[in-house]
Amino acid sequence: GAVVSQHPSRVICKSGTSVKIECRSLDFQATTMFWYRQFPKQSLMLMATSNEGSKATYEQGVEKDKFLINHASLTLSTLTVTSAHPEDSSFYICSARDAARGIRNTEAFFGQGTRLTVV
Amino acid sequence: QKEVEQNSGPLSVPEGAIASLNCTYSDRGSQSFFWYRQYSGKSPELIMSIYSNGDKEDGRFTAQLNKASQYVSLLIRDSQPSDSATYLCAVRSGGYQKVTFGIGTKLQVIP
Repeated sequence: GAVVSQHPSRVICKSGTSVKIECRSLDFQATTMFWYRQFPKQSLMLMATSNEGSKATYEQGVEKDKFLINHASLTLSTLTVTSAHPEDSSFYICSARDAARGIRNTEAFFGQGTRLTVV
Repeated sequence: QKEVEQNSGPLSVPEGAIASLNCTYSDRGSQSFFWYRQYSGKSPELIMSIYSNGDKEDGRFTAQLNKASQYVSLLIRDSQPSDSATYLCAVRSGGYQKVTFGIGTKLQVIP
């Protein structure tokens, strides 16, 4: 099956620093990648939709200058949390669509997630 | 009104029983429906997808969709302790890439 690799799985950073999270589709081309955030005991909340070669589309309430998304190739998208604060501590998950599977396929393939802790 | 509603649980069932998980959604134009399983600290994994009214079976899992009632469910037969996890219902509206997730129902299968 399709594999999405997300790195790192865990990161602890100091308040005010920036953290980059990578999401790679290993065996398929991902024209669209999605970034989610999940707080404890809450559902996945879509942060942004990233299309290869174009600007990301951010959901309402998500600061695009704080959460920088780059989708420079069909196999890699990155999320950079800039000037991180303790309230940004969360579980960040990416997912990717396989371009070959057509419109009915949605982000069925998730990365392993990144547990971010800002101290 | 939440777009996708689930009872957060926990739902406790004895081993070998049928677990029934329910989900309602608000957008009548929704066309694609998914059930994901999420173990604690892990990312979700897709279990079932369903697009048409009726039942869809895959092994011990059966997804049921009723668009008129805006209701989708997941049945797990012969529940096993390894099925203990949070089950997320997800809905995609027609023509739009965005998928909306419910809060998830925590299932506990008691040995």
